[in-house]
Amino acid sequence: EVQLVESGGDVVRPGGSLRLSCAASGFTFDDHGLSWVRHAPGKGLEWVSYINWNGGSTAYADSVKGRFTISRDTAKSALYLQMNSLRAEDTALYFCARLQLLGDAFDIWGQGTMVTVSS
Amino acid sequence: QSALTQPPSASGSPGQSVSISCTGTSSDVGGYDFVSWYQQHPGKAPKLIIYEVTKRPSGVPDRFSGSKSGNTASLTVSGLQADDEADYYCSSYVGNTKFVFGSGTTVTVL
Repeated sequence: EVQLVESGGDVVRPGGSLRLSCAASGFTFDDHGLSWVRHAPGKGLEWVSYINWNGGSTAYADSVKGRFTISRDTAKSALYLQMNSLRAEDTALYFCARLQLLGDAFDIWGQGTMVTVSS
Repeated sequence: QSALTQPPSASGSPGQSVSISCTGTSSDVGGYDFVSWYQQHPGKAPKLIIYEVTKRPSGVPDRFSGSKSGNTASLTVSGLQADDEADYYCSSYVGNTKFVFGSGTTVTVL
């Protein structure tokens, strides 16, 4: 079964750091680009970050650029999001999502991991 | 990159059709044929239902259809069913391996 499972969400103080993980299974990990997408309470989906198949290309939303870092480990079939200098507005359910082979749409999603930034 | 504009809500009776618009700019929706639509039930992960403006993934009923004209894309759900009640989001590629989502539309089946 094709699956993405996120972990690492927690309650953290403003200015703190957190590392999210996403374990992939059921497909050839190296074939696909991956993204993080978040869903803040009462708001819409927001694309956060992208990484290509080999980690050689990354992209970030302006709202997180310079604070978040996306990475992947082929040996572990895992995706990561290092989140630094967290703000209250980063509070959200964070999904990892697989891009289709053409790289134009997100065809597989995890169930999400919740990040709460609060003092 | 600003979120694409969607109406907050839409509704229809069972069996009827409902259409949802997704308005962007020439830098996103109007500039690429990489518009996709997602259905999200409460507490669940989003599900891809339309990609490349008009294409349906395997397993998605043909009651779901997509189109685009200029800077506005649209999703039409025909033959509304109770299970179609959900939030719907559009998304567009915006270049440089970046994407943007719409503000979301809640569809209610009356």
